[in-house]
Amino acid sequence: GAGVSQSPRYKVAKRGQDVALRCDPISGHVSLFWYQQALGQGPEFLTYFQNEAQLDKSGLPSDRFFAERPEGSVSTLKIQRTQQEDSAVYLCASSSGQGIYGYTFGSGTRLTVV
Amino acid sequence: TQLLEQSPQFLSIQEGENLTVYCNSSSVFSSLQWYRQEPGEGPVLLVTVVTGGEVKKLKRLTFQFGDARKDSSLHITAAQPGDTGLYLCAGVPASGGSYIPTFGRGTSLIVHP
Repeated sequence: GAGVSQSPRYKVAKRGQDVALRCDPISGHVSLFWYQQALGQGPEFLTYFQNEAQLDKSGLPSDRFFAERPEGSVSTLKIQRTQQEDSAVYLCASSSGQGIYGYTFGSGTRLTVV
Repeated sequence: TQLLEQSPQFLSIQEGENLTVYCNSSSVFSSLQWYRQEPGEGPVLLVTVVTGGEVKKLKRLTFQFGDARKDSSLHITAAQPGDTGLYLCAGVPASGGSYIPTFGRGTSLIVHP
């Protein structure tokens, strides 16, 4: 596609509910990144894929967070048993290289846990 | 502790004024990126600088990478309301083997007509 597409744009979840956030990167981009952005903050790194391989997941805040990219294109970020502190904007970005020269971001998914 | 410190945190100016935003660190970066983010959208890449002392211009925006590759600045000449947004810098550490940029907290700019 022309850009990075994320869905849903908004998600309201009850505390304890599981959620799945989807990212469609730019076609042909081998690198895919997930970031979490709290209100008034810069994006915080969560995890990185190169094709289908998850090369870095050091930023995932707990074992309730899980990401996959099984065919090297679409990626899903899953959060189990959501907590209020998970409320944030989740951004996906892709790049043709490793991201050293910058990424293309999607518009994000705003998750609100009530 | 934030790896990248951005200042000022907030800036509210009138159309036509000039401004400079700073991005500072004690770490050396192999590259540094500047993004602009508008409400409800993801960050949009403005520029990447990789060489110490490098200066890049994008219309009314001038980006500079410090000689030691530890800091950067963004200067906007004759600001316009369309420049309003959150300006983020992101640096790729030169050491440690990571190629993943770390973001600063951003400078929120409002340009009043």
